[in-house]
Amino acid sequence: AQRVTQPEKLLSVFKGAPVELKCNYSYSGSPELFWYVQYSRQRLQLLLRHISRESIKGFTADLNKGETSFHLKKPFAQEEDSAMYYCALSAGFGNEKLTFGTGTRLTIIP
Amino acid sequence: EAGVVQSPRYKIIEKKQPVAFWCNPISGHNTLYWYLQNLGQGPELLIRYENEEAVDDSQLPKDRFSAERLKGVDSTLKIQPAELGDSAVYLCASSSTGYEQYFGPGTRLTVT
Repeated sequence: AQRVTQPEKLLSVFKGAPVELKCNYSYSGSPELFWYVQYSRQRLQLLLRHISRESIKGFTADLNKGETSFHLKKPFAQEEDSAMYYCALSAGFGNEKLTFGTGTRLTIIP
Repeated sequence: EAGVVQSPRYKIIEKKQPVAFWCNPISGHNTLYWYLQNLGQGPELLIRYENEEAVDDSQLPKDRFSAERLKGVDSTLKIQPAELGDSAVYLCASSSTGYEQYFGPGTRLTVT
């Protein structure tokens, strides 16, 4: 069975401070990991996926298979980063379903 | 490009009534998903279509929920009869590659 855990429901960080949103997963195979973001009054959208190894809006995430984690990080938080963040897992390549965590609401304090 | 279109955006019904949600995916996207999102939770897959074929409907409560995707384009999700516990946001998403799913704005259902 696939499971994604986001231990923090709420996270507040001062502008300019580092941000880390935690994500742990449980899956016996080789998963694809994603971070999706939902800004206020907008639809859910892809932020980044581990296979692309990109940095999007200053965010990065490294897949740690030993710790089964995929934490999202940004060195300097900006006010526009305030949003709901969901970590998600897919069982493999192709159009597989996503298993989402419960989400973390990030608030950047000016 | 309008993205994934869903209607209605909001729906309030009394319990035991039927309700239907409509989704039009991004043009050319063969894969279509319906997710259910309860308050404070992440989305959970109800059903996945590849063209007109439902390839994963294991999480769909088939006693009251049904879905169709005729001609492999737009899709309808129906609940009959609705229960209080069905109050949630129903999300539709589509994909062409599987590496990114594009979500619609969702339909917020309230059952009273």
